[in-house]
Amino acid sequence: LAKTTQPISMDSYEGQEVNITCSHNNIATNDYITWYQQFPSQGPRFIIQGYKTKVTNEVASLFIPADRKSSTLSLPRVSLSDTAVYYCLVGDIPSNTGKLIFGQGTTLQVKP
Amino acid sequence: EAGVAQSPRYKIIEKRQSVAFWCNPISGHATLYWYQQILGQGPKLLIQFQNNGVVDDSQLPKDRFSAERLKGVDSTLKIQPAKLEDSAVYLCASSSPKGRTGGANTEAFFGQGTRLTVV
Repeated sequence: LAKTTQPISMDSYEGQEVNITCSHNNIATNDYITWYQQFPSQGPRFIIQGYKTKVTNEVASLFIPADRKSSTLSLPRVSLSDTAVYYCLVGDIPSNTGKLIFGQGTTLQVKP
Repeated sequence: EAGVAQSPRYKIIEKRQSVAFWCNPISGHATLYWYQQILGQGPKLLIQFQNNGVVDDSQLPKDRFSAERLKGVDSTLKIQPAKLEDSAVYLCASSSPKGRTGGANTEAFFGQGTRLTVV
């Protein structure tokens, strides 16, 4: 499984755009990139998943360059409620035996 | 749709005692995961089931942990005997892999977890 590296923590202010970058140099051809969000005392929650280029949903955007060795989760206009831990996962997740392997995650602190 | 149900929500036991956690996944989800999350760390995969078969249990401490998923639906995770270092939140998740056709998103749904304290 591809190893991921992401910043341990980030600070931001309400209303700003936040970009969290994840490195995954050993990503395999069949691997997808998935991001999860976790609030204290809750289980992780799916945010977005992509394979290449750009994916956007109502919550976030995911930018993946052509070489797929990194990805950037973009959260537009964050609020205090976006304070959470964000995990980048890489793996053949859509397959029947795809594994969800979590790293340390990035703790995002949004300040007023 | 109903989410992943876990019980109990909290459990406090003494070391060397045994404990069991229960998980009811989302109806129809073939894949079920158990994770251990120690405070300040990311979730660590303990075991993954596909229906009632084990896909991966490489990080399950098999001398004290066991898990089963009878009939491919509910699952139970047991610890016997517990150690102090087993204090953690135990998370259950389920998913329904769609394969890579059309690049369909595959997301896992997590329960709220069981917080275990071993004293």
